[in-house]
Amino acid sequence: QVHLQESGPGLVMPSDTLSLTCDVSGDSIRSGKWWGWIRQPPGKGLEWIAYMYYSGSTYYNPSLKSRITMSVDTSKNQVSLNLRSVSAVDTAIYYCARKRDYEYYFDSWGQGTLVTVSS
Amino acid sequence: QSALTQPASVSGAPGQTITISCTRTSSDIVTYNYVSWYQQHPGKAPKVLIYDVSSRPSGVSNRFSGSKSGNTASLTISGLQPEDEADYYCTSCTSCTRSSTTWVFGGGTKVTVL
Repeated sequence: QVHLQESGPGLVMPSDTLSLTCDVSGDSIRSGKWWGWIRQPPGKGLEWIAYMYYSGSTYYNPSLKSRITMSVDTSKNQVSLNLRSVSAVDTAIYYCARKRDYEYYFDSWGQGTLVTVSS
Repeated sequence: QSALTQPASVSGAPGQTITISCTRTSSDIVTYNYVSWYQQHPGKAPKVLIYDVSSRPSGVSNRFSGSKSGNTASLTISGLQPEDEADYYCTSCTSCTRSSTTWVFGGGTKVTVL
């Protein structure tokens, strides 16, 4: 059974870069899956951020594309997300999620990590 | 304005059947055949209930069912139970090809069991 565990700084200063990691256990990053990030501002709905295949194919939310970089580290079985120039609107719970190849839904999610942008 | 529109809230008494709609309002969603539904309890991660409009993952109760008519997908919960009180989100890929796709979520529907 796959387990996804997000980790992040908790608090980030405005205009800084937010860096998140997702440790994957019970499955290999290279096992023909896609790995994504989805966020949820407190009390609000879900927003898809990005997802990628281990070989490098990456897709970003057009509204965030200019500030995002997503990567995978196959040696650590880990997925990462960098979000630059953050502001208060980026305060959210950030979830890591898995999508199987040729399927169109996220079948496994991490518990999420809350990131607050504040000075 | 989301490309997928859901009612903000739906309620029902225990044992009743309720339906949550999810209407495609944007042509950005080229293919509307891959609608999925997620249940989210407070403080928890979302959990998939339905995928590909009407398919149910193993382990999900058959009280949950999905359908689609034209630009509106629907999630039906039959035999409503107290533990069904949660937020429900629909989502769809846009161009829905392996080599190029993005995702949109509906705004979410809060289900209250009276």
